[in-house]
Amino acid sequence: DIQLTQSPSFLSASVGDRVTITCRASQGISSYLAWYQQKPGKAPKLLIYAASTLQSGVPSRFSGSGSGTEFTLTISSLQPEDFATYYCQQLNSYPRNFGQGTRLEIK
Amino acid sequence: EVQLVESGGGLVKPGGSLRLSCAASGFTFSSYSMNWVRQAPGKGLEWVSSISSSSSYIYYADSVKGRFTISRDNAKNSLYLQMNSLRAEDTAVYYCASDTIAAAGPWGAFDIWGQGTMVTVSS
Repeated sequence: DIQLTQSPSFLSASVGDRVTITCRASQGISSYLAWYQQKPGKAPKLLIYAASTLQSGVPSRFSGSGSGTEFTLTISSLQPEDFATYYCQQLNSYPRNFGQGTRLEIK
Repeated sequence: EVQLVESGGGLVKPGGSLRLSCAASGFTFSSYSMNWVRQAPGKGLEWVSSISSSSSYIYYADSVKGRFTISRDNAKNSLYLQMNSLRAEDTAVYYCASDTIAAAGPWGAFDIWGQGTMVTVSS
């Protein structure tokens, strides 16, 4: 099974900051990686798929990069509504594992 | 409006059974693979099971294999999860999610999600 490790697990930042979250896969997954945002009590929301393709309707301040085993999600200028938990997921093979999550909080 | 609505959650005793349903609307349900994802209280997301559009391919997490059964009825635009031999560690919010991304190319992603249904396994 492919394991995903996100870092950091917790991130404190301010509105307007640029933040980067990393997701590392235990083996190569090409670009079969997606990123999700989840707010408390809500279902996850797809932000990025194929490692770098922005889902329709997602603000352009979100971007993704990487391939193989190392991936990043970048938020160029944090907005108040971006404070949430972020998950990566690999779609290269089954099981379709998720990373453990990165909780982004307001400093 | 594109929508997934789960139902069937509730309180069940250890060893008991429950059947979750997910009703789809606003998109061509029969064309896409479907998935169940769960989230234990205060924990992260855990993929549970996936089923292809025609039910030809089915996959399960090791944690539920042999106890849970995923199925779908394309005529009713519905996805199901039959959960047997339930354990305390199965307590979670269960989400159904579609993967319409994969239909347009090799990449997949869970792009449409339901609101979730809570399953509590406790005596």
